Parts: sequence; structure tokens; C-alpha cells
Amino acid sequence: GAVVSQHPSRVICKSGTSVKIECRSLDFQATTMFWYRQFPKQSLMLMATSNEGSKATYEQGVEKDKFLINHASLTLSTLTVTSAHPEDSSFYICSARGYGGNTEAFFGQGTRLTVV
Amino acid sequence: QKEVEQNSGPLSVPEGAIASLNCTYSDRGSQSFFWYRQYSGKSPELIMFIYSNGDKEDGRFTAQLNKASQYVSLLIRDSQPSDSATYLCAVEGSSASKIIFGSGTRLSIRP
Repeated sequence: GAVVSQHPSRVICKSGTSVKIECRSLDFQATTMFWYRQFPKQSLMLMATSNEGSKATYEQGVEKDKFLINHASLTLSTLTVTSAHPEDSSFYICSARGYGGNTEAFFGQGTRLTVV
Repeated sequence: QKEVEQNSGPLSVPEGAIASLNCTYSDRGSQSFFWYRQYSGKSPELIMFIYSNGDKEDGRFTAQLNKASQYVSLLIRDSQPSDSATYLCAVEGSSASKIIFGSGTRLSIRP
């Protein structure tokens, strides 16, 4: 399958600081990227959908000013968690999808964020 | 009603048997359907992707889609202990191209 690379895999930050997570599609052009959050023993919750060159569409209840998403190119999307708090500690996973309808979505390795 | 529903399990299946995982969805206009496998602490990995009614086979895995019944399933033949994981059903809805996940079914293959 296609390769989606996500970095960092783990990050620990202090409360009040910001953290940036990168998601890159290595061997295809990702027109759409999805950002998910997963708490322990729970399923993936979609946070936002971003299309290259346009603003992200956030799911209800997700603060767009706190979770900044940038999808500036067809191979890179970033999620910045601003002013992180301990309750933001979670597993963040990106997923990327290429051109056309009825195509697969591939996941990055995920980022384990711990806010202390 | 949840958009994508799965039985949380755990589903216990003896090694070598067929494991059957089920998923229903609420958006009748949904276009694409995915099965992912997720090991604890890891990111999901794509197993199967289906968008036409009927069966799609890939090795030991068969996905079955019935749009009229809004039902998609995954069969795993000759189950192996390494198949023990959480299986996530995901559905692309009719609008906004977003992919929504079910809560996952924990599958345990007993030797």
C-alpha cells in the first residue's frame, strides 16, 4: 500500500506550549487528508478533513483555533495543537487519500502526545 | 443512531476457523467502505476496501457489501493468532468525503 509518514511518533510537552505534527504522503499526491484522535480503548474520532489549498473542515466540537491544520501541498499536512493541556493528551493519527473517488485512505504511524 | 456500528466484542474464534465481523451504517448514500486492523498502540492498517455490492476477496480476507441492507462484513479464513486485533469498519459518507469509523470489534484467535 501507499506510504504515509507521520512525525513525531511521540512527543511530551509542557502545558501551555504548542506542538506541531507532520503528515506526509511519500509516494502519492494526497488531495485529502484526515486528522483523527484516539483515546485509550476508544475508536478513532475524526477531527477535521483538509483538502490541499483550502481551509480544513472541522467536526462539531473540535476547536479550530486550538487545532490548527495546514494542507499547503499535495504531500504535506500539519496539525498544530496550540496551548496544549493535559486533556489534549491522546494518540493523533493522520490519513491521506489520493485523487479520484473510491480510493483507499492510508494512515500514518500516529503521534502519541503527552502534555504534562 | 451511530453512523457506523460494530459489535465491540470480544469475538473469540479458534485457530483455523472463519472469523466473521459485521458492520452497519446509517447513511444510505455512502460510497466507500473500509476494513482496518489495529494492534494495540499502533496505527490502523488497511485490510480491505470495497465500493461495489457483492464480495471482494484478497487472500484469506473477504469483504462483503450489501448497500440495500446497509451492511458490510469481513470474513477471515484460516484464522491465525496473529489476526488477534481490533478490526475497524470505516465508511465514506455521501457528503464531504469524510471517513467515519465504527468503534471496532476486538477479535481474539485462540490456539
